Amino acid sequence: ETGVTQTPRHLVMGMTNKKSLKCEQHLGHNAMYWYKQSAKKPLELMFVYSLEERVENNSVPSRFSPECPNSSHLFLHLHTLQPEDSALYLCASSQGTGTDNSPLHFGNGTRLTVT
Amino acid sequence: AQKITQTQPGMFVQEKEAVTLDCTYDTSDQSYGLFWYKQPSSGEMIFLIYQGSYDEQNATEGRYSLNFQKARKSANLVISASQLGDSAMYFCAMREPYGNNRLAFGKGNQVVVIP
Repeated sequence: ETGVTQTPRHLVMGMTNKKSLKCEQHLGHNAMYWYKQSAKKPLELMFVYSLEERVENNSVPSRFSPECPNSSHLFLHLHTLQPEDSALYLCASSQGTGTDNSPLHFGNGTRLTVT
Repeated sequence: AQKITQTQPGMFVQEKEAVTLDCTYDTSDQSYGLFWYKQPSSGEMIFLIYQGSYDEQNATEGRYSLNFQKARKSANLVISASQLGDSAMYFCAMREPYGNNRLAFGKGNQVVVIP
C-alpha cells in the first residue's frame, strides 16, 4: 500500500463505548496529524506528532487520546464521546513540521457517528 | 479570527471549460505558504498546488494554476479544461507562521462538472 491509510472507514459508537481510530503512513514522513472535519466548518487541527513526540494538542477534550508508537502509525483513542463529536476524522502526514513547502498528505478519513 | 475565506456558493461548470475558485487570506506575517486541496466524495484530501509568499511567479501544476495577488491577499485556483473527475470540494489553506506545519483551512468551494 502507498500513501496514508485510515481504518475503519466508518464507525458508529455509543457514548459509553471505547474505540480507536488507526492511521498508517507509507511515505517515510516524520510528522503525523489528526484533523476533525465537521459539517460546514473548516478543518480543525487536533494533534501534531513529530518524530513520535506530541508537539501540539490543540485544546482537544481528554475524551480524545492520541498515541504515536512509531513514525508510521498514529492512533486516536475515543471514550465517552458526545454526539457533537460526530465528524470525519482525517489523519495526515508530512516530511517535517517546519516552515517549508512540504504539503500534508491525507488519508480517506474515518466517518464517526456517535449515538 | 478566520484566516482563510472562501465564499463562493456551489458552482456548476461545463466539462472542458475553466473554473476559478476564490480564496482570500489574512496574515500579518511576511513568510507564509498557501495550499489548495481537493476533497472528492471519498473523503480523501488531495494536495493540488502550493504557492510560497516569496515566489515571484504563479504556481502551476498540470491543469491547476494559482493566481497569486499578494497585495490583495488572494490566491485563486484556476482549473483549466474541467473534467468530470474534478467534481469535488476544494479547500484553500495557509501555513501559519509559527511552525508545527499548522494549516488554517477555509470552508471550501463545491464544484460540480457537468457533461
